[in-house]
Amino acid sequence: QQQVKQSPQSLIVQKGGISIINCAYENTAFDYFPWYQQFPGKGPALLIAIRPDVSEKKEGRFTISFNKSAKQFSLHIMDSQPGDSATYFCAARRGQGGKLIFGQGTELSVKP
Amino acid sequence: GAVVSQHPSRVICKSGTSVKIECRSLDFQATTMFWYRQFPKQSLMLMATSNEGSKATYEQGVEKDKFLINHASLTLSTLTVTSAHPEDSSFYICALLAGGTDTQYFGPGTRLTVL
Repeated sequence: QQQVKQSPQSLIVQKGGISIINCAYENTAFDYFPWYQQFPGKGPALLIAIRPDVSEKKEGRFTISFNKSAKQFSLHIMDSQPGDSATYFCAARRGQGGKLIFGQGTELSVKP
Repeated sequence: GAVVSQHPSRVICKSGTSVKIECRSLDFQATTMFWYRQFPKQSLMLMATSNEGSKATYEQGVEKDKFLINHASLTLSTLTVTSAHPEDSSFYICALLAGGTDTQYFGPGTRLTVL
């Protein structure tokens, strides 16, 4: 019940295309869902986050879609660029100050 | 976002020695700090959570006597890997949480290689 399942494991997208990464969870007590971006040899950086009372959140080219009934959420990267090539992790957390449960990660490669 | 530093960024040590990794918050006071370990091509694995002035809470399977965590102040936490062995070689990352916020801010990570 504590797991967050992320797919796909790897993704190749052409420049200008849309990258879509999906996550699913079981624990309905989770109340915060962030996405992190990690470049090789660096720490993760917060990209965008959503709470379950909102179905969609957009920040620039990045959008989170959240489906509470299906217990799924996804990251959409519009107009994908080679600089977006990185590993993306979804996560879920129960309660403020609670620990983050991370998905397995998706290695995104955007081809020029 | 918040600025978090880690020192050193890379360390190579001999088997049996101890290594200390520092994690500092440069622009806010962190009520809670987290230490993660990440193996190549894998996800982040939480090792322990610490609150300033209290003992760290370790995740199941993490040896507290081997991975010593000290959250000495609201801006500094240290992780000491004692009697390091080659299997401890990994990428260690700290994360900070400011009181009343949702966001965990991650440090740049420390690459530990034990020979």
